[in-house]
Amino acid sequence: ILNVEQSPQSLHVQEGDSTNFTCSFPSSNFYALHWYRWETAKSPEALFVMTLNGDEKKKGRISATLNTKEGYSYLYIKGSQPEDSATYLCAFPSQAGTALIFGKGTTLSVSS
Amino acid sequence: EAQVTQNPRYLITVTGKKLTVTCSQNMNHEYMSWYRQDPGLGLRQIYYSMNVEVTDKGDVPEGYKVSRKEKRNFPLILESPSPNQTSLYFCASSLSLGAANTEAFFGQGTRLTVV
Repeated sequence: ILNVEQSPQSLHVQEGDSTNFTCSFPSSNFYALHWYRWETAKSPEALFVMTLNGDEKKKGRISATLNTKEGYSYLYIKGSQPEDSATYLCAFPSQAGTALIFGKGTTLSVSS
Repeated sequence: EAQVTQNPRYLITVTGKKLTVTCSQNMNHEYMSWYRQDPGLGLRQIYYSMNVEVTDKGDVPEGYKVSRKEKRNFPLILESPSPNQTSLYFCASSLSLGAANTEAFFGQGTRLTVV
């Protein structure tokens, strides 16, 4: 059974702080790693889909790195803003490729 | 605009009263899926569909049915809802089989309460 672990469970930072979260996943039979941002009362939206070891992707102030050999990915937010407040989900395709296996998420709260 | 539309957004119902949550996507995606989200747990897959008339069970299918008569629609049916089906439900679609290396697009969610 695949398991995706995210830490920390929640995080509270001040506006302007930089922060990062971790997603751990099985390193064997790696296919892809997804990051989603889920704001309250909205749909989860894709941030990144990462497939290559050592890959680094960036979208504005948010970036992510991937280490498939050791089975982890980091999500970084530089200079956090209140609008970054959301739950950040990572997900890993199931072995059959028919589902995404989600972590429980990291909930970020940014105070102004 | 590319989107996945779910209805209703909120629903309170009584035990045993059949209900349907609709899901429609406008991206011509073959793959669609239903997830439920419960406190302290990650999103869990209920059912998925790889194409019209092709559906299969996910991790938590008990008490649910689905159909895929048209490519764009993938309704979730609760024939006899029970309180343990109180949850937040998401419909998702993606371009490729299994959503392995392409992103999933999610609906806005349906908050269901069964009393």
